[in-house]
Amino acid sequence: GAVVSQHPSRVICKSGTSVKIECRSLDFQATTMFWYRQFPKQSLMLMATSNEGSKATYEQGVEKDKFLINHASLTLSTLTVTSAHPEDSSFYICSAGQGLSYTFGSGTRLTVV
Amino acid sequence: SQQGEEDPQALSIQEGENATMNCSYKTSINNLQWYRQNSGRGLVHLILIRSNEREKHSGRLRVTLDTSKKSSSLLITASRAADTASYFCATARETSGSRLTFGEGTQLTVNP
Repeated sequence: GAVVSQHPSRVICKSGTSVKIECRSLDFQATTMFWYRQFPKQSLMLMATSNEGSKATYEQGVEKDKFLINHASLTLSTLTVTSAHPEDSSFYICSAGQGLSYTFGSGTRLTVV
Repeated sequence: SQQGEEDPQALSIQEGENATMNCSYKTSINNLQWYRQNSGRGLVHLILIRSNEREKHSGRLRVTLDTSKKSSSLLITASRAADTASYFCATARETSGSRLTFGEGTQLTVNP
């Protein structure tokens, strides 16, 4: 079946630094990828929709200058958390559509200290 | 923003029992999907039901959809300890490529 590979699975960074999270579709092309954020014991909140070759579409309240999304190819989308702060600590998950259903990456646990 | 509500928020049962989780949503949909998430992991697609379908089965899973009430249920029969996870419903308003809107999730614990 379709596989979406997300790296890293865990990252700890210092406040003020930037962190890049990669999401790759391994055996299919994904013109659209979705980035979610999930706080402990809560549901997934859509942050942005990443479109290959064009600008990402951000959800209301998500700072596009803080959460930079690049979708340079049909198999790779990246999310960069810039100037990270402790409140950015969260679980970030990407997904890509395959027909009507979606395949999710395994998630990235970001801890900002 | 989340449009779905799920109940119960948490469910604890014994192995062999059935588990039923419910999901409600607010807008019209093209399809509704159920996902499972083990702690600290990504989501795994379980089953999809289209808006013109009322019931669907997949192994020990049974999903119903009532578009008049904007609700769905997921039944897991003969539960196993390995079924312990969070379960989320998600709705799609359009066909392929549209965003998913997730419910709040149900934390299922199956005790051996």
